[in-house]
Amino acid sequence: DGGITQSPKYLFRKEGQNVTLSCEQNLNHDAMYWYRQDPGQGLRLIYYSQIVNDFQKGDIAEGYSVSREKKESFPLTVTSAQKNPTAFYLCASSPTRDRDEKLFFGSGTQLSVL
Amino acid sequence: EDQVTQSPEALRLQEGESSSLNCSYTVSGLRGLFWYRQDPGKGPEFLFTLYSAGEEKEKERLKATLTKKESFLHITAPKPEDSATYLCAVRISYNTDKLIFGTGTRLQVFP
Repeated sequence: DGGITQSPKYLFRKEGQNVTLSCEQNLNHDAMYWYRQDPGQGLRLIYYSQIVNDFQKGDIAEGYSVSREKKESFPLTVTSAQKNPTAFYLCASSPTRDRDEKLFFGSGTQLSVL
Repeated sequence: EDQVTQSPEALRLQEGESSSLNCSYTVSGLRGLFWYRQDPGKGPEFLFTLYSAGEEKEKERLKATLTKKESFLHITAPKPEDSATYLCAVRISYNTDKLIFGTGTRLQVFP
C-alpha cells in the first residue's frame, strides 16, 4: 500500500537532547511538509520541501532542522534549542509543486519531554 | 491578518440528527478551501476542496459549501462512525505556499 510512514509513534526527549522524527513516503510525491499540532491550535508549518536537496522554513522553524537527500525521505530534527517541543508532529506530502493539490498525511509522532 | 475560525469547538449529536459545521475566513485572497477529517491519534484525511463561492461538493453524508466569507460542512443523518475532528484550511492567493488551518470542530455522534 502506498502512503506516508512516520516513526516512532511516541518519542520522549530529555533536556538538552536532539531527537529525529522519521518520515518516509512511497507515493512518488515531490513535495513534503512538517506540521506541528498543539491542543486548541491549528496546524502550523515547520518546514517544507518541494524538491530534493531544497527546503524552506515555515512559520515556526526555530529550533528545528530538516534534510531532503532522497525524494522519499524528509526527517525532522527537534534540537535542544526548541524549548517547548511537546506536540503532535505530522508529516505530509503532495504530488507536485501545484499548491492547489491536497495533502496526504502520515499518522503522526507524539513527542513529549521527560 | 489572515485568519481561519471554526465553530463550534465541539458538537454532540444524536445519531440521525443533522447539523452543520462552520469555517469562516478573513484572507486577502482565497486560492482554495480544504476540509479534512482527523481521528484521534491519526493524521488528517482529505475530504473536499472548494475554489469559488457557490461551489458545493458531496461525499456520502457530508456536503461542503462555500461563500465569500465562510464554508459549511453539512452532515446529514450522521452515524457514530462520523465522530472525528473536522479541520478547515485555506490557501491564500498571494502566498500559495501558505496553508492556514483552523482549530477544528470535534464532532461526537451518539447512537
